[in-house]
Amino acid sequence: SQTIHQWPATLVQPVGSPLSLECTVEGTSNPNLYWYRQAAGRGLQLLFYSVGIGQISSEVPQNLSASRPQDRQFILSSKKLLLSDSGFYLCAWSAVGTGGFYEQYFGPGTRLTVT
Amino acid sequence: SQQGEEDPQALSIQEGENATMNCSYKTSINNLQWYRQNSGRGLVHLILIRSNEREKHSGRLRVTLDTSKKSSSLLITASRAADTASYFCATGPTISNFGNEKLTFGTGTRLTIIP
Repeated sequence: SQTIHQWPATLVQPVGSPLSLECTVEGTSNPNLYWYRQAAGRGLQLLFYSVGIGQISSEVPQNLSASRPQDRQFILSSKKLLLSDSGFYLCAWSAVGTGGFYEQYFGPGTRLTVT
Repeated sequence: SQQGEEDPQALSIQEGENATMNCSYKTSINNLQWYRQNSGRGLVHLILIRSNEREKHSGRLRVTLDTSKKSSSLLITASRAADTASYFCATGPTISNFGNEKLTFGTGTRLTIIP
């Protein structure tokens, strides 16, 4: 069965510090990978998605970047955090399902607080 | 901008009652999905309905889709305290080019089941 891991679970970082969040998927090959951010009590904002190694699509211009160094590894980074980067970050994966539809499977999330 | 907008934003009902949540969207879709999120956790996929389907059932869940009105509803019958969570709709686009792996999530309905 497939499993998705995210770490760390919680992170408190000062403004201006760097960020690295990691997501890995087990039990599947060539998944689509996604990074979302969720503000408190709000919906999900798609930040980046990737359909293969080195293929990253950015959805929102911002202070963050993403990389996919291996097939099942997705990393979210920032060189200098802003207060507005605080939020709940979710990684997800999908594969082509029956009929060509993409159901997504989410990791447990990382709660980031920038102080 | 948000593709899906859930209504109501929050709903409180007594255990055993039925809960109905609605989702409206703006552009053409090829499928609509519903997800559940427990507080502080990742999202869990509940059900997918294709654009050529009008109704779908899964256990105590019933989803309807009206593409002419660009709306969907999620009905949870005989609610339980464990159903307390946020529920999100997500739409998949009709485009067949690169990018149809994306989902656009709504803002969610916060459901509270009172024991």
